[in-house]
Amino acid sequence: IAGITQAPTSQILAAGRRMTLRCTQDMRHNAMYWYRQDLGLGLRLIHYSNTAGTTGKGEVPDGYSVSRANTDDFPLTLASAVPSQTSVYFCASSAQAGEGETQYFGPGTRLLVL
Amino acid sequence: GENVEQHPSTLSVQEGDSAVIKCTYSDSASNYFPWYKQELGKGPQLIIDIRSNVGEKKDQRIAVTLNKTAKHFSLHITETQPEDSAVYFCAAISNTNAGKSTFGDGTTLTVKP
Repeated sequence: IAGITQAPTSQILAAGRRMTLRCTQDMRHNAMYWYRQDLGLGLRLIHYSNTAGTTGKGEVPDGYSVSRANTDDFPLTLASAVPSQTSVYFCASSAQAGEGETQYFGPGTRLLVL
Repeated sequence: GENVEQHPSTLSVQEGDSAVIKCTYSDSASNYFPWYKQELGKGPQLIIDIRSNVGEKKDQRIAVTLNKTAKHFSLHITETQPEDSAVYFCAAISNTNAGKSTFGDGTTLTVKP
């Protein structure tokens, strides 16, 4: 069982380009999340999905979009990348949405926008 | 919304000593408090959690205490080892926030051999 996989591992992207970060989980978890982690800061929630077919905005959603066409995949798209989106992006999942549910994190994607 | 403050931001201890990391939260409706350990180049992993109906929970060398009245909770690591060196994050979850986690800014723990 792989758990959660993310691709790519790292990416250098020119400003203005479109980029999709991929996230796949094989645990049949209903809830999935995207976070960004910046130096000296904790994890900030970008978007989430409580179940396939639904998505919601987190703390810092501007400039990002997500889709949840099926249970396993939760891609994050940067429509037109800007340097402030340079960060480490983590995808996570939990069996259900709600308090008390352990979140399992992927290994992260390191993104540099120039 | 919820605000979580974590202290200290960095902590250096000698191997065998204890380490304590403290977090405060603002939303009195928060009722679930997990702690995560993040090793270099990896994603965070849950190491221990506590619910609001419990004051303390222990798992081998790791323990977490919760004071709901004061709205703070702490991570205690005893008999620290070099492999405990990592970044530790606390989080608070409230069902008034649709169960979403609010994380502290992290503590970089260094255990010197």
